[in-house]
Formats: sequence, structure tokens, C-alpha cells
Amino acid sequence: ILNVEQSPQSLHVQEGDSTNFTCSFPSSNFYALHWYRWETAKSPEALFVMTLNGDEKKKGRISATLNTKEGYSYLYIKGSQPEDSATYLCAFVSGNTGKLIFGQGTTLQVKP
Amino acid sequence: DAGVIQSPRHEVTEMGQEVTLRCKPISGHDYLFWYRQTMMRGLELLIYFNNNVPIDDSGMPEDRFSAKMPNASFSTLKIQPSEPRDSAVYFCASSLSGGEETQYFGPGTRLLVL
Repeated sequence: ILNVEQSPQSLHVQEGDSTNFTCSFPSSNFYALHWYRWETAKSPEALFVMTLNGDEKKKGRISATLNTKEGYSYLYIKGSQPEDSATYLCAFVSGNTGKLIFGQGTTLQVKP
Repeated sequence: DAGVIQSPRHEVTEMGQEVTLRCKPISGHDYLFWYRQTMMRGLELLIYFNNNVPIDDSGMPEDRFSAKMPNASFSTLKIQPSEPRDSAVYFCASSLSGGEETQYFGPGTRLLVL
């Protein structure tokens, strides 16, 4: 059974704080790692797809890094805003199967 | 493109009834995925199709669940008979190709089985 772990489970920060969270995945047979942002009562929206060891992606204030050898990815949010409040999901792809295995998510709450 | 379309958005039914959920993927996408979201298990993959062919249905809970994709623009997920433990949000997603491509999620169907 392939296990994807995310930590912390939840996070409360003040507006303007920078924050980061972790996704851990199996280091063998890596194919891709996805990050999604999921707001309450909406559907998950893609942030990044990462495929190469050492890959770094950036979209505005959000960035992500990838270490496939040790099996982890970090998601960073710089200067958190209330609108960043959401659950952030990572999903691991093993082999070119198209099958995403999701972690349980990190729920971020940004207080004004 | 309108994105992935799912219907109905909400469904309330009684135990034992048949439930059919529908999905229209984004035009041109070769992959279609059905997910279920529950508090206990999070977001879990039920089944996915590539070019209308089911590839992996290992996530389908039991024989009461079945999925079809008769053509590139339509898929159904059927539960017969439904049980209260099937209550969840069911998402459909599609992508251009395999695991390195972004999956685009529909709005979900919120199912409540009484």
C-alpha cells in the first residue's frame, strides 16, 4: 500500500506570516507529485505538477520544492493572506499509471 | 471550455434505491477519474478510464458500485442498492494524459443516503 503523509494536519497563522508544510511519499518508482488547493465547498484546483528531483515551482506567493530521493516535497506560502485559507493536498503518482494517491491534506487558516 | 460537468449536484435518496451520478469530462481529455471524499478516508480514487476503457477499478468499494464510459464525453457511476455509508461527495476529474498532467475536478455530487 502506497502511503502519502502530510504534516501538519492543520495550521493557524496570522496574516503576513510565511508558512510551509510537508508531503512525504514513497521514494521508489516515483513518477510525479501534484499539489492541489481545496477551498471549502469547492473542488480541488491544481497548483503544481512536479516530475524532476530538485524541481522548484512558483506561482505568485506560493512555491514548492521536490526531493524524490528522500521522498518529500515542501509547499511554501510567503506573506499569507486570508484568501489563502484552504486545504492543501499533495498527490503521488507511482509509475506512469495516471493514478493519484492523495494525502489527507494540510488545512491552513489565515487570520486577518 | 465549461470544465468538468457533474450532475446532479445534490442527491438525497433512501437506502436500497439506485443512484446514478453523471460526468462530462473536458473535451479532448483522454483520462477520466471518479473519486469519493469522506471525512474518514479523505479523497480516494474509485476508478479511472483511459480512452473510455477502465484501467484500474481497485478502489471501487464493492459490487454495488459500477462505472461506465460509453463514449469520450460521458461517464456514469452507479450505486445499486445504495446504503447510508455511501453518503459522501463524489468527484469526477479529467486530464489530457497520464500522471504528469493536471487533473481538473468537477464540482462534485453530494450524496446523502437515508
